[in-house]
Amino acid sequence: DAKTTQPTSMDCAEGRAANLPCNHSTISGNEYVYWYRQIHSQGPQYIIHGLKNNETNEMASLIITEDRKSSTLILPHATLRDTAVYYCIVRVGVLGTYKYIFGTGTRLKVLA
Amino acid sequence: DTGVSQDPRHKITKRGQNVTFRCDPISEHNRLYWYRQTLGQGPEFLTYFQNEAQLEKSRLLSDRFSAERPKGSFSTLEIQRTEQGDSAMYLCASSLNHMNTEAFFGQGTRLTVV
Repeated sequence: DAKTTQPTSMDCAEGRAANLPCNHSTISGNEYVYWYRQIHSQGPQYIIHGLKNNETNEMASLIITEDRKSSTLILPHATLRDTAVYYCIVRVGVLGTYKYIFGTGTRLKVLA
Repeated sequence: DTGVSQDPRHKITKRGQNVTFRCDPISEHNRLYWYRQTLGQGPEFLTYFQNEAQLEKSRLLSDRFSAERPKGSFSTLEIQRTEQGDSAMYLCASSLNHMNTEAFFGQGTRLTVV
């Protein structure tokens, strides 16, 4: 079973920051948090991942709370092309047995 | 293109027929995953390989399903005696076997059983 809970849907105005929350209260100390997104009929696209520190790349920023029980994905300037389903995943297992268990994700709609 | 490649992209088959899908992972990736996704749901884990060894199979993978990765490179997923409930998107992903790494997904094979 997925170890994360996310809101079912969110709207964001184009050009504004999109902040997508995720709860993972049962996360273990060595489990990473991953974010993927999926645009209709395509495969999931990797966005970012982290363990305990905040992370930033060219697509997004990932803010993980100090207790690691929740995180937020930030798309700094959302565009219409960011409309997608966003999945927050806790990668379970240990080295050699990793699995990515998806939940139902957050459907983000970016509005013009 | 050095991403994960899946073939075919679409497959329509009659109930009872066998189908086989192929996945070519990113070349240096030793882990390969198969997922299934139905409409409105997130991808569901089916199985994964470490090189040529199949390490885990989900209970979703009935005995009509078989996956192979014979030389630790490409993988095939076969469904025998297809049923309408098998209609779904079948996704493949690959990654390195490192702690701090990510998995990359292919574009999937959409199966429709009529």
